[in-house]
Amino acid sequence: GENVEQHPSTLSVQEGDSAVIKCTYSDSASNYFPWYKQELGKRPQLIIDIRSNVGEKKDQRIAVTLNKTAKHFSLHITETQPEDSAVYFCAASMSTGANNLFFGTGTRLTVIP
Amino acid sequence: KAGVTQTPRYLIKTRGQQVTLSCSPISGHRSVSWYQQTPGQGLQFLFEYFSETQRNKGNFPGRFSGRQFSNSRSEMNVSTLELGDSALYLCASSFGTSLPHQETQYFGPGTRLLVL
Repeated sequence: GENVEQHPSTLSVQEGDSAVIKCTYSDSASNYFPWYKQELGKRPQLIIDIRSNVGEKKDQRIAVTLNKTAKHFSLHITETQPEDSAVYFCAASMSTGANNLFFGTGTRLTVIP
Repeated sequence: KAGVTQTPRYLIKTRGQQVTLSCSPISGHRSVSWYQQTPGQGLQFLFEYFSETQRNKGNFPGRFSGRQFSNSRSEMNVSTLELGDSALYLCASSFGTSLPHQETQYFGPGTRLLVL
C-alpha cells in the first residue's frame, strides 16, 4: 500500500511568517493529495487539495505544490495568524478506484503572536 | 447543507463488549468511509461503503465491520472490544462517482471510544 511521510512533526512560527510542511509518498499510482486541518477536539477539515495533473494550486494564503517525479508535495501558508495553529495532515489517494486516503502523521503548527 | 453527523459523540465500554457507531453523510453523498484516529497510529482507513456495499477495506481485524443503509447512513460495529480499540472514530462522506479515488472527503466530528 501507500506510505506517506510528513515533516516536520512540530513547527513554531512567528505571526506573519510563512510555514511550510512537506510530505512524500511511495506509490507513483497516487494522484490525489488533500490537506486537512484539525483543531483540538474538532473534525479534520479540508483546506486545499491537488490532483496529479496540476503542479501548484493556491487559495488565498494557502498553496500546495506537487512534484510527481520526486513524489513529494508541500503545503505553504503565508502571513500566518494565530488561528492557523492546529494539526495539519497530508494525505494521498491511489488511482486504484478505491476511496481510501493514506494519511501522514501530522504536523502541529503553532503560530506565536 | 448539513454536514456529516456522527452519534454518539462519546462512549465508554469495557473489554469484551461490542459497540455500534452511526454516521449520517451529507445529503446526496453516497459514499461513507470510516477511519480510526489514535495518537500512536494516526489516521487509518477502516472501510468504505457505497450503495450499501463495502467497496474497500483496510487492514483491521474482522472484529471491525460495517454496513450501509439505503439512505446512505452507515454504521460500524466493533465486537469483543480490546483496550487498543480506544480511539476517535471518524467517518467521512463523499459524493460517490466512478472516480472515487479523487473525491473530496468531508469528515464528521467523530465518536470518541474509551475501552476500560
